[in-house]
Amino acid sequence: DAKTTQPPSMDCAEGRAANLPCNHSTISGNEYVYWYRQIHSQGPQYIIHGLKNNETNEMASLIITEDRKSSTLILPHATLRDTAVYYCIVLPTGTASKLTFGTGTRLQVTL
Amino acid sequence: EAEVAQSPRYKITEKSQAVAFWCDPISGHATLYWYRQILGQGPELLVQFQDESVVDDSQLPKDRFSAERLKGVDSTLKIQPAELGDSAMYLCASSQGLSLRSYEQYFGPGTRLTVT
Repeated sequence: DAKTTQPPSMDCAEGRAANLPCNHSTISGNEYVYWYRQIHSQGPQYIIHGLKNNETNEMASLIITEDRKSSTLILPHATLRDTAVYYCIVLPTGTASKLTFGTGTRLQVTL
Repeated sequence: EAEVAQSPRYKITEKSQAVAFWCDPISGHATLYWYRQILGQGPELLVQFQDESVVDDSQLPKDRFSAERLKGVDSTLKIQPAELGDSAMYLCASSQGLSLRSYEQYFGPGTRLTVT
């Protein structure tokens, strides 16, 4: 599975967009980009995933560069409840694959 | 909304004692995972089940850890004997298995183990 690199921490003002970057320069053609988050004292939660097109759901948007070597998770209007550790994970889909978590990005949303 | 259940939520045990954790996945989910999360790190897979069969236990310390999912539904993770380094959060997750939505794993609240 391709390795990912994320900044250790980021701050965002409440109501603003939070843009969380992820580098995955060794991603291969059959690997998807997944994002999970973990709010303090809870288990991780699936957010979104994508292959090469931009994706949007009720939680977030995922922007993947054309060369697929990096991506950005966008929380359009961050709230205090979005304070969490965000994990970017790359792996093939179509099977029940284990998730290899790194250390993620700790997003702190402030008033 | 269906959830993954885990018990106990917290466990304190002395080293060399035995400890067990229980997980009840979302109904119908064929794949079940146990992860361990040390403070400040991301979760690490210990064992993965497909129905009642172990698919991946390469990171499970088999000299002291064991896991079972006898009827392909709920699962138990056991540690015997516990060591100080086993203090961590133990997370259970489940997914639909070999389907289009197999990428989406649902996690339980975890069991926080403290070994003294």
